Amino acid sequence: DAKTTQPPSMDCAEGRAANLPCNHSTISGNEYVYWYRQIHSQGPQYIIHGLKNNETNEMASLIITEDRKSSTLILPHATLRDTAVYYCIVRVGTGNQFYFGTGTSLTVIP
Amino acid sequence: GAVVSQHPSWVICKSGTSVKIECRSLDFQATTMFWYRQFPKQSLMLMATSNEGSKATYEQGVEKDKFLINHASLTLSTLTVTSAHPEDSSFYICSAEDRGWNEKLFFGSGTQLSVL
Repeated sequence: DAKTTQPPSMDCAEGRAANLPCNHSTISGNEYVYWYRQIHSQGPQYIIHGLKNNETNEMASLIITEDRKSSTLILPHATLRDTAVYYCIVRVGTGNQFYFGTGTSLTVIP
Repeated sequence: GAVVSQHPSWVICKSGTSVKIECRSLDFQATTMFWYRQFPKQSLMLMATSNEGSKATYEQGVEKDKFLINHASLTLSTLTVTSAHPEDSSFYICSAEDRGWNEKLFFGSGTQLSVL
């Protein structure tokens, strides 16, 4: 079962940073935090993942709190194409099940 | 990134027939593949975990005789919906794990199944 809690929806102005929160208060020490997004009727797209340290790639930044009980995905300059459902997932690692929660529907407004 | 190909993209079938969906990892070997289904405006629900060369592990409530999963090679897994009924109509998505990509999962584009 999913171990994460996310707000059901958020809006963000185009060009501004989108900050998507995720609570995972029961996360274990060896569980990674993953973020994926799904645009309507497509397969989910990988965004970023991390264990303890903050991570950044060409798509986004992932900020994980020191106690690891929550994290924030940051899209630095949101575009209309970033409108999607964003899922935060925790998972032990290789070969283990990957459960999706309810996600956050992000709408980027022109 | 790694590519997962899923076919067909959509299929319409008559009630009582069987439908096979293929999931291929095109540029990596996938020891583990996952199958999901998704109803409109809902999240993805994990159906089963497929390991190459062994029997799939099904989630609670998923009928293993109805949803047959075969993972015969490191690049191919298939899901067969047997004796499909209208309530099986759904969006089915596969994913494959590429351990060379630091434990990322890559997803296929999904298959929309409509059973008449």
